[in-house]
Amino acid sequence: DIQMTQSPSTLSASVGDRVTITCRASQTINNYLAWYQQKPGKAPKLLIHRASTLESGVPSRFSGSGSETEFTLTISSLQPDDFASYYCHQYNTYSGTFGQGTKVEIK
Amino acid sequence: EVQLVESGGGLVQPGGSLRLSCTDSRITLNNYAMAWVRQAPGKGLEWVSGISGSGGRTYYADSVEGRFTISRDNSKRTLYLQMNSLRAEDTATYYCADQKGFPGSLDNWGQGTLVTVS
Repeated sequence: DIQMTQSPSTLSASVGDRVTITCRASQTINNYLAWYQQKPGKAPKLLIHRASTLESGVPSRFSGSGSETEFTLTISSLQPDDFASYYCHQYNTYSGTFGQGTKVEIK
Repeated sequence: EVQLVESGGGLVQPGGSLRLSCTDSRITLNNYAMAWVRQAPGKGLEWVSGISGSGGRTYYADSVEGRFTISRDNSKRTLYLQMNSLRAEDTATYYCADQKGFPGSLDNWGQGTLVTVS
């Protein structure tokens, strides 16, 4: 099975900060990597798929990059609505796996 | 607007069974691949099972293999998860989600249904 290691687990930041979350796969996943945002009590929401393709309606301050086994989610200027948990997800295999999640908190 | 609605969650004793349903409200039947993902209280997301658009291919996480069965009835636009031999560690909110590809990203999610094994 492919393991996904996401870091950091918690991130404290202020509005306007640039935020970076990293996900590392235990083997190459051919850019089949998605990022989700989840707010308390809500279902996850797809932000990015194929490592860097922004979903329709997702603000352009979100971006994804990376390849092979190293991937990054960047929020260029953190907004109040962005305080949430974020998960990476590899879907290179039929049995997908998630990273452990990153909680973005208000500093 | 895409709407996936899960139902069937509840309280069940260890060793018991439960069947979850996920109904797709879309007018056009797209036969997307579908998946179940769960989240234990206060924990992260865990992929549980996936099924192709036709229902001919199914996949399971090791943690549920042999105990859970995913299926779908496209005529009813409904996805199912039959859960048998439930354990305390299966306690979680279960989400269904659709995937344009198979495998694919989880594009649209339901609101989740809580399963408590106790």
